[in-house]
Amino acid sequence: QQQVKQSPQSLIVQKGGISIINCAYENTAFDYFPWYQQFPGKGPALLIAIRPDVSEKKEGRFTISFNKSAKQFSLHIMDSQPGDSATYFCAASKGKGNKLVFGAGTILRVKS
Amino acid sequence: SQTIHQWPATLVQPVGSPLSLECTVEGTSNPNLYWYRQAAGRGLQLLFYSVGIGQISSEVPQNLSASRPQDRQFILSSKKLLLSDSGFYLCAWSVLPPGEQFFGPGTRLTVL
Repeated sequence: QQQVKQSPQSLIVQKGGISIINCAYENTAFDYFPWYQQFPGKGPALLIAIRPDVSEKKEGRFTISFNKSAKQFSLHIMDSQPGDSATYFCAASKGKGNKLVFGAGTILRVKS
Repeated sequence: SQTIHQWPATLVQPVGSPLSLECTVEGTSNPNLYWYRQAAGRGLQLLFYSVGIGQISSEVPQNLSASRPQDRQFILSSKKLLLSDSGFYLCAWSVLPPGEQFFGPGTRLTVL
Protein backbone atom coordinates (compact mmCIF):
# COMPACT_ATOMS: atom_id res chain seq x y z
CA GLN A 1 0.00 0.00 0.00
CA GLN A 2 3.02 2.23 0.36
CA GLN A 3 4.21 1.67 -3.20
CA VAL A 4 4.17 4.04 -6.10
CA LYS A 5 4.35 2.20 -9.41
CA GLN A 6 5.96 4.06 -12.29
CA SER A 7 6.00 3.26 -16.00
CA PRO A 8 7.60 2.98 -18.44
CA GLN A 9 11.06 2.07 -17.18
CA SER A 10 12.61 3.82 -20.17
CA LEU A 11 11.33 6.03 -22.95
CA ILE A 12 12.72 7.30 -26.23
CA VAL A 13 11.03 10.31 -27.81
CA GLN A 14 11.86 12.34 -30.89
CA LYS A 15 12.69 15.99 -30.44
CA GLY A 16 9.50 18.02 -30.44
CA GLY A 17 7.37 15.07 -29.35
CA ILE A 18 5.40 14.51 -26.17
CA SER A 19 6.91 12.45 -23.35
CA ILE A 20 4.41 10.77 -21.04
CA ILE A 21 5.31 9.04 -17.78
CA ASN A 22 2.68 7.40 -15.61
CA CYS A 23 2.43 6.62 -11.91
CA ALA A 24 -0.12 4.80 -9.80
CA TYR A 25 -0.56 4.60 -6.04
CA GLU A 26 -2.65 2.62 -3.59
CA ASN A 27 -2.64 4.65 -0.39
CA THR A 28 -5.53 7.13 -0.46
CA ALA A 29 -3.92 9.03 2.41
CA PHE A 30 -1.26 10.40 0.05
CA ASP A 31 -1.87 14.11 -0.37
CA TYR A 32 1.16 15.43 -2.22
CA PHE A 33 2.58 14.22 -5.53
CA PRO A 34 5.86 15.68 -6.80
CA TRP A 35 7.96 14.87 -9.83
CA TYR A 36 11.74 15.01 -9.78
CA GLN A 37 14.26 15.26 -12.60
CA GLN A 38 17.72 13.79 -12.15
CA PHE A 39 20.73 14.17 -14.42
CA PRO A 40 23.61 11.68 -14.16
CA GLY A 41 25.76 12.25 -11.08
CA LYS A 42 23.45 14.93 -9.67
CA GLY A 43 20.84 15.02 -6.96
CA PRO A 44 17.18 14.96 -8.03
CA ALA A 45 15.63 18.38 -8.60
CA LEU A 46 12.00 19.14 -7.89
CA LEU A 47 10.26 19.71 -11.21
CA ILE A 48 6.57 20.14 -10.47
CA ALA A 49 4.10 18.98 -7.84
CA ILE A 50 0.35 18.61 -7.41
CA ARG A 51 -2.18 18.10 -4.62
CA PRO A 52 -5.31 15.95 -5.04
CA ASP A 53 -7.70 18.90 -5.05
CA VAL A 54 -6.72 19.79 -8.63
CA SER A 55 -6.78 17.62 -11.74
CA GLU A 56 -4.04 19.34 -13.71
CA LYS A 57 -1.09 21.63 -13.14
CA LYS A 58 1.04 23.16 -15.85
CA GLU A 59 4.42 24.84 -15.61
CA GLY A 60 5.94 25.72 -18.95
CA ARG A 61 6.30 22.56 -21.03
CA PHE A 62 5.62 20.30 -18.02
CA THR A 63 2.11 19.24 -17.02
CA ILE A 64 0.90 16.94 -14.27
CA SER A 65 -2.45 15.24 -14.81
CA PHE A 66 -4.08 13.79 -11.70
CA ASN A 67 -6.93 11.26 -11.58
CA LYS A 68 -7.99 10.86 -7.95
CA SER A 69 -10.60 8.17 -8.57
CA ALA A 70 -8.14 6.03 -10.52
CA LYS A 71 -5.30 6.85 -8.12
CA GLN A 72 -3.07 7.72 -11.02
CA PHE A 73 -1.02 10.71 -12.04
CA SER A 74 1.18 11.41 -15.01
CA LEU A 75 3.83 13.79 -16.27
CA HIS A 76 3.60 15.20 -19.78
CA ILE A 77 6.57 16.94 -21.34
CA MET A 78 5.48 18.90 -24.38
CA ASP A 79 7.88 19.76 -27.21
CA SER A 80 10.50 17.44 -25.69
CA GLN A 81 14.09 18.58 -26.12
CA PRO A 82 17.42 16.73 -25.94
CA GLY A 83 18.15 18.68 -22.76
CA ASP A 84 15.16 16.95 -21.15
CA SER A 85 17.03 13.63 -21.35
CA ALA A 86 17.24 12.55 -17.71
CA THR A 87 15.71 10.18 -15.19
CA TYR A 88 12.31 11.20 -13.89
CA PHE A 89 10.86 10.07 -10.56
CA CYS A 90 7.32 10.42 -9.34
CA ALA A 91 6.67 10.39 -5.61
CA ALA A 92 3.91 10.66 -3.03
CA SER A 93 3.71 11.60 0.61
CA LYS A 94 1.36 11.94 3.55
CA GLY A 95 1.45 13.00 7.15
CA LYS A 96 4.03 14.58 9.39
CA GLY A 97 7.63 14.34 8.32
CA ASN A 98 6.73 14.35 4.66
CA LYS A 99 8.35 11.04 3.93
CA LEU A 100 8.25 10.56 0.19
CA VAL A 101 7.60 7.23 -1.46
CA PHE A 102 9.33 7.21 -4.82
CA GLY A 103 8.57 5.40 -8.02
CA ALA A 104 11.36 3.37 -9.59
CA GLY A 105 12.17 6.05 -12.16
CA THR A 106 11.92 6.48 -15.93
CA ILE A 107 14.97 7.06 -18.08
CA LEU A 108 13.98 9.51 -20.81
CA ARG A 109 16.05 9.96 -23.94
CA VAL A 110 15.05 12.64 -26.42
CA LYS A 111 16.56 12.05 -29.85
CA SER A 112 17.52 15.07 -31.91
CA SER B 1 17.88 31.33 -0.05
CA GLN B 2 18.34 27.80 1.18
CA THR B 3 21.27 25.63 0.19
CA ILE B 4 22.29 22.13 1.07
CA HIS B 5 25.84 20.82 1.16
CA GLN B 6 27.17 17.30 1.20
CA TRP B 7 30.71 16.10 1.59
CA PRO B 8 32.71 14.47 0.47
CA ALA B 9 31.53 14.40 -3.13
CA THR B 10 33.19 11.06 -3.80
CA LEU B 11 34.68 8.45 -1.51
CA VAL B 12 36.43 5.13 -2.04
CA GLN B 13 36.69 2.99 1.07
CA PRO B 14 37.81 -0.58 1.79
CA VAL B 15 35.43 -3.15 3.17
CA GLY B 16 35.36 -3.03 6.96
CA SER B 17 36.39 0.61 7.24
CA PRO B 18 34.26 3.26 9.00
CA LEU B 19 32.16 5.86 7.24
CA SER B 20 31.07 9.38 7.99
CA LEU B 21 29.09 11.47 5.49
CA GLU B 22 27.99 14.95 6.40
CA CYS B 23 25.08 17.07 5.26
CA THR B 24 24.39 20.66 6.23
CA VAL B 25 21.56 22.97 5.31
CA GLU B 26 21.73 26.76 5.22
CA GLY B 27 19.01 29.38 5.15
CA THR B 28 16.25 27.57 7.02
CA SER B 29 15.42 26.54 10.57
CA ASN B 30 14.14 23.27 12.00
CA PRO B 31 14.05 21.42 8.70
CA ASN B 32 13.14 17.78 8.31
CA LEU B 33 16.25 15.97 7.10
CA TYR B 34 16.55 12.77 5.12
CA TRP B 35 19.20 10.31 3.96
CA TYR B 36 18.57 8.32 0.80
CA ARG B 37 20.64 5.74 -1.04
CA GLN B 38 20.48 5.23 -4.77
CA ALA B 39 22.06 2.11 -6.21
CA ALA B 40 23.34 2.32 -9.79
CA GLY B 41 20.43 2.68 -12.20
CA ARG B 42 17.92 2.27 -9.40
CA GLY B 43 15.40 4.34 -7.49
CA LEU B 44 15.71 6.16 -4.21
CA GLN B 45 15.65 4.24 -0.94
CA LEU B 46 14.91 6.24 2.21
CA LEU B 47 17.37 5.27 4.93
CA PHE B 48 16.76 7.73 7.76
CA TYR B 49 14.73 10.82 8.47
CA SER B 50 14.77 13.34 11.28
CA VAL B 51 12.23 15.91 12.42
CA GLY B 52 14.51 17.51 15.02
CA ILE B 53 17.81 17.41 16.89
CA GLY B 54 18.47 13.93 18.22
CA GLN B 55 15.30 12.54 16.63
CA ILE B 56 16.15 9.86 14.10
CA SER B 57 13.86 7.32 12.47
CA SER B 58 15.29 4.39 10.59
CA GLU B 59 13.48 3.05 7.57
CA VAL B 60 15.62 0.09 6.64
CA PRO B 61 17.54 -2.22 8.99
CA GLN B 62 21.20 -2.15 8.05
CA ASN B 63 24.68 -1.44 9.34
CA LEU B 64 24.31 2.30 8.85
CA SER B 65 23.33 4.85 11.48
CA ALA B 66 22.44 8.53 11.44
CA SER B 67 22.79 11.38 13.88
CA ARG B 68 21.62 14.97 14.03
CA PRO B 69 23.87 16.83 16.45
CA GLN B 70 22.70 20.27 15.33
CA ASP B 71 19.51 21.65 13.82
CA ARG B 72 20.88 21.82 10.30
CA GLN B 73 23.44 19.01 10.36
CA PHE B 74 22.78 15.40 9.50
CA ILE B 75 25.46 12.71 9.60
CA LEU B 76 25.41 9.22 8.13
CA SER B 77 27.82 6.73 9.68
CA SER B 78 28.94 3.15 9.65
CA LYS B 79 31.39 1.29 11.86
CA LYS B 80 32.23 -1.31 9.21
CA LEU B 81 31.38 -0.87 5.54
CA LEU B 82 30.09 -3.71 3.40
CA LEU B 83 30.40 -4.07 -0.37
CA SER B 84 26.64 -3.62 -0.57
CA ASP B 85 26.96 -0.15 0.96
CA SER B 86 28.27 1.21 -2.34
CA GLY B 87 25.96 3.72 -3.93
CA PHE B 88 24.98 7.33 -4.33
CA TYR B 89 24.00 8.86 -0.99
CA LEU B 90 21.65 11.79 -1.05
CA CYS B 91 20.67 14.14 1.73
CA ALA B 92 17.44 16.11 1.48
CA TRP B 93 15.54 18.68 3.51
CA SER B 94 11.99 19.92 3.77
CA VAL B 95 9.92 22.29 5.90
CA LEU B 96 6.24 22.10 6.82
CA PRO B 97 4.14 23.18 5.06
CA PRO B 98 3.87 22.27 2.30
CA GLY B 99 6.64 19.71 2.33
CA GLU B 100 8.65 19.94 -0.84
CA GLN B 101 11.90 18.03 -0.47
CA PHE B 102 15.09 19.46 -1.87
CA PHE B 103 18.10 17.27 -2.49
CA GLY B 104 21.79 17.87 -2.06
CA PRO B 105 24.44 17.10 -4.69
CA GLY B 106 25.10 13.62 -3.30
CA THR B 107 28.13 11.54 -2.30
CA ARG B 108 29.31 8.72 -4.53
CA LEU B 109 30.57 5.92 -2.25
CA THR B 110 32.50 2.97 -3.62
CA VAL B 111 33.36 0.17 -1.24
CA LEU B 112 36.14 -2.10 -2.49
